[in-house]
Amino acid sequence: KQEVTQIPAALSVPEGENLVLNCSFTDSAIYNLQWFRQDPGKGLTSLLLIQSSQREQTSGRLNASLDKSSGRSTLYIAASQPGDSATYLCAVATQGGSEKLVFGKGTKLTVNP
Amino acid sequence: GAVVSQHPSWVICKSGTSVKIECRSLDFQATTMFWYRQFPKQSLMLMATSNEGSKATYEQGVEKDKFLINHASLTLSTLTVTSAHPEDSSFYICSSGRAPDTQYFGPGTRLTVL
Repeated sequence: KQEVTQIPAALSVPEGENLVLNCSFTDSAIYNLQWFRQDPGKGLTSLLLIQSSQREQTSGRLNASLDKSSGRSTLYIAASQPGDSATYLCAVATQGGSEKLVFGKGTKLTVNP
Repeated sequence: GAVVSQHPSWVICKSGTSVKIECRSLDFQATTMFWYRQFPKQSLMLMATSNEGSKATYEQGVEKDKFLINHASLTLSTLTVTSAHPEDSSFYICSSGRAPDTQYFGPGTRLTVL
């Protein structure tokens, strides 16, 4: 059974700092991995999707890497801003059924002005 | 981009009542929709897969008689929590997508059972 773990559970940084969020998964047979952002009481916004054959994806100040063999992914946020404050979720889709996602518990990020 | 909506955004009900949550795909046809539940400080957990025109598929441990799913059209799936109890209080989110790699999530419904 696939399990996804995210560390740290919470992170507080001053504005402008670069930071890394970590995600690990137990079964390396994944179809893809996604990073989402969730604001309090809101739905999910997809940030980056990495296919199993890819190593990384970039969007603006965000960069996500994937090491499938070791079961790890990182989300790098450059020059953090208070508006980046949210919970970041990592989710993997298992092979053969990319629509069913297994989520981690998330990392709650607070960027202080 | 595609939009998935949910209604209501929040609901408070008495224990023993039934609550219906709607999930709509606004600009695409969704043959499959997914229902997730998120307890405080926990992961989103997949509850069931809703299939248009056929029975839903439930994940292990989810009571199909308690969480009734109807997917009568290509744009609407409903989740009914029957005889709700306080332990059913949670954040319910649906998702769907045009393609296997693209899932769009609704804004979620906060259910509080008193």
